[in-house]
Amino acid sequence: EPEVTQTPSHQVTQMGQEVILRCVPISNHLYFYWYRQILGQKVEFLVSFYNNEISEKSEIFDDQFSVERPDGSNFTLKIRSTKLEDSAMYFCASDGLKETQYFGPGTRLLVL
Amino acid sequence: LAKTTQPISMDSYEGQEVNITCSHNNIATNDYITWYQQFPSQGPRFIIQGYKTKVTNEVASLFIPADRKSSTLSLPRVSLSDTAVYYCLVGPAVDSSYKLIFGSGTRLLVRP
Repeated sequence: EPEVTQTPSHQVTQMGQEVILRCVPISNHLYFYWYRQILGQKVEFLVSFYNNEISEKSEIFDDQFSVERPDGSNFTLKIRSTKLEDSAMYFCASDGLKETQYFGPGTRLLVL
Repeated sequence: LAKTTQPISMDSYEGQEVNITCSHNNIATNDYITWYQQFPSQGPRFIIQGYKTKVTNEVASLFIPADRKSSTLSLPRVSLSDTAVYYCLVGPAVDSSYKLIFGSGTRLLVRP
């Protein structure tokens, strides 16, 4: 069964540093998403991406965040200057229309 | 997006059938009902999706009454590995991309 993959599985960084979280969506999927889940809290939508541009973004997705599809397979989330409150699990998801969203295993980000 | 209400937690024993009910009084005509499962430190995993009546797959059944204001996820003969958080989501038709709005879900604990 095809799956969404994410790297790294864990990332520890210092406050103020830039991080890039990487995702490889399912190959024939067209829509891509990032969600995050702070420990013990709900899964929150960050951004959706289609046709090389952002379709929708939440209030969380401020100027510190950016997404990119640098090639035909990867989908990245960049946090320019991390804050303590960015510590969370970050999930990438993709869907190919006619289906529901498939989630990756997540990247656990810890900002110190 | 329609708001959903589901129990915060449920307990069960191995081998029992578990039914988790979700209320969605404001469901729209083009909304589908989707259930996801999430294990600790993993991404949500799609279980089942339906529009009306009954849907069954190898994992679960989904019962949706005629008024569609509620739905029931049925897990037959649960095992310890079914211990997870179960989310009921309501959203637009399956052939359109949309952000998923997760609630707090139902935390199911399966005991030996």
